[in-house]
Order: sequence, then C-alpha cells, then structure tokens
Amino acid sequence: NAGVTQTPKFRILKIGQSMTLQCTQDMNHNYMYWYRQDPGMGLKLIYYSVGAGITDKGEVPNGYNVSRSTTEDFPLRLELAAPSQTSVYFCASSYGAGENTEAFFGQGTRLTVV
Amino acid sequence: KQEVTQIPAALSVPEGENLVLNCSFTDSAIYNLQWFRQDPGKGLTSLLLIQSSQREQTSGRLNASLDKSSGRSTLYIAASQPGDSATYLCAVRPDSNYQLIWGAGTKLIIKP
Repeated sequence: NAGVTQTPKFRILKIGQSMTLQCTQDMNHNYMYWYRQDPGMGLKLIYYSVGAGITDKGEVPNGYNVSRSTTEDFPLRLELAAPSQTSVYFCASSYGAGENTEAFFGQGTRLTVV
Repeated sequence: KQEVTQIPAALSVPEGENLVLNCSFTDSAIYNLQWFRQDPGKGLTSLLLIQSSQREQTSGRLNASLDKSSGRSTLYIAASQPGDSATYLCAVRPDSNYQLIWGAGTKLIIKP
C-alpha cells in the first residue's frame, strides 16, 4: 500500500520555467491537498480538492494551478517559476472532512528556483 | 483568524527523560488537532489525532492532550530515545474549513 506518492523528490528550476508536481494516492480518498513549507514556518495550503472535477484555492494560490481529473491524481502546476516559490511541497489526502479525519502526506518535493 | 504557535522552537534533552511539547491556538472552534512527526528529507507522519470532543489520545510512549477552552495541546513523550529526534508539528482543523492550520514545529534532539 503506497499511500500518497509525490514525484519528483527534488527539482531545480530556472526563473520563468514551468513544471508539474505529481501526486497520486491509492487510498480512494476524495479529499486532496497541496501545501508548501518554507524554512522555519508552518505549512500553508495552496489548493485543495473535495473530489474529481472540483478544486478550490487555499491560502497561497498565486502562481499555481491544479486539476483533478481522477480520484487518484492531483497534479500541481507552476507557471513562470519565481524564487519566491522555492519551498518544500507536500501533497496530502484524507477520506473525508469529519472530526476524526486523519490526513496522510507524501514525502515532499524540494523545489529550488534559481 | 486561527493561529497556531509551538514553543519552544528547539529542544535538546538527554536520553531517557520524559518531555512535553506545547502547542497553542487562538480560536477554540476546531474539529480536531493532529500531531505530526517530520524527519529530515522525509514526509510527515501522523502521530495522534484528537477530536474536539476528546481530551487526550495515547499511542505507545506518546500521549497528547487537548484543552479547547484554553487553546492548548501538549504532546508528552515518555522515556525519550535518540530515535525520537525529529521535528514535531501540530496542526488544527478549524470548524468550517477543510485545511489544516499549522504551527512552525519544535525540533527535538535526544542526546544518547
């Protein structure tokens, strides 16, 4: 049981380049999330999805886009990368939104924009 | 706006000690609170989840408590081991939101 899988683990981008961070989960969870973690800070929500075909902005969505065509996959697209997007990105999923809902996280993608 | 604070930012203790990590939050209207462990270069591992109606949860040497009225949670680690060295993060889920609001974490070092 793989859980939440993110690729790549590391990436260096030049300013202005674009890339897609991949996230897939095999737990049949409806809810999926993208967070970023800057050094010494808590995680901040970028985008989330409550099911296939439904996405919504989180706290820090600028410079990012997402899609959710299947239950399993929730890719995060960076257009025109900027140094401010240097961060560690985490994808997460959960089976619901109730009080006892636990979130499961991928191993993260460390992105550097130079 | 919900804010989560973890103090101290770093803690170093000798092996075998019992220790307490603190988490405070500003709005008592939460669905739940989760404690996570983060190892360098690795993902986040969920340790304990406390529902808003619960006061504590236990898993092995870990015990987490929740006091909503005072906006506090503690993570108690008994008989600490070098393998417990990691960053511990707490996160709350507000009542009306899908996202988790995170503290910045406490970096714990257990000295052999």
